[in-house]
Amino acid sequence: GIQVEQSPPDLILQEGANSTLRCNFSDSVNNLQWFHQNPWGQLINLFYIPSGTKQNGRLSATTVATERYSLLYISSSQTTDSGVYFCAVDPYNTDKLIFGTGTRLQVFP
Amino acid sequence: DGGITQSPKYLFRKEGQNVTLSCEQNLNHDAMYWYRQDPGQGLRLIYYSQIVNDFQKGDIAEGYSVSREKKESFPLTVTSAQKNPTAFYLCASSRGSASEKLFFGSGTQLSVL
Repeated sequence: GIQVEQSPPDLILQEGANSTLRCNFSDSVNNLQWFHQNPWGQLINLFYIPSGTKQNGRLSATTVATERYSLLYISSSQTTDSGVYFCAVDPYNTDKLIFGTGTRLQVFP
Repeated sequence: DGGITQSPKYLFRKEGQNVTLSCEQNLNHDAMYWYRQDPGQGLRLIYYSQIVNDFQKGDIAEGYSVSREKKESFPLTVTSAQKNPTAFYLCASSRGSASEKLFFGSGTQLSVL
């Protein structure tokens, strides 16, 4: 089956720093989504991004489907950005969303 | 407000007992999903349903059962056959399929007494 790997697995930042999270996938996909899981377990959909670039405030995402990767950029990080970031892909002919391994982000004041 | 409601927030299971986790959505979504998350791990798909009265096994369906009698509801039963049920369970929904944007409930933490 498809492999979805995220890097780095852990990231520690001071407030105000920028960061880039990466998601690599091993096969072609219909779409890719990025999620943030807060420390209380709630998962929020950040981006639905099968290809191209999208921006939402301090966050932006880019997916290069032909090269099988996606990047999530966080600028001017805040303590509320802490949590785990997951990417998830929908491989062709499966109709299932497969989640990556996650990147745990900690932002300190 | 539209959303996905999971209950209870915390649930305890005695050995040999079946327990049922509730998931209700008022987003008018056709597809609903159950995921399991173990501490420090990603999400694994248990069951999913794309239409009322129909559902498919995910990657880790053994020891679990579901029903989809109404569009709004997709309860998950953790049976006594599931030998390691302690985990965080997340319900999700999307408009039509896994190709659509996915939304999650707030989760149920299941622990074994």
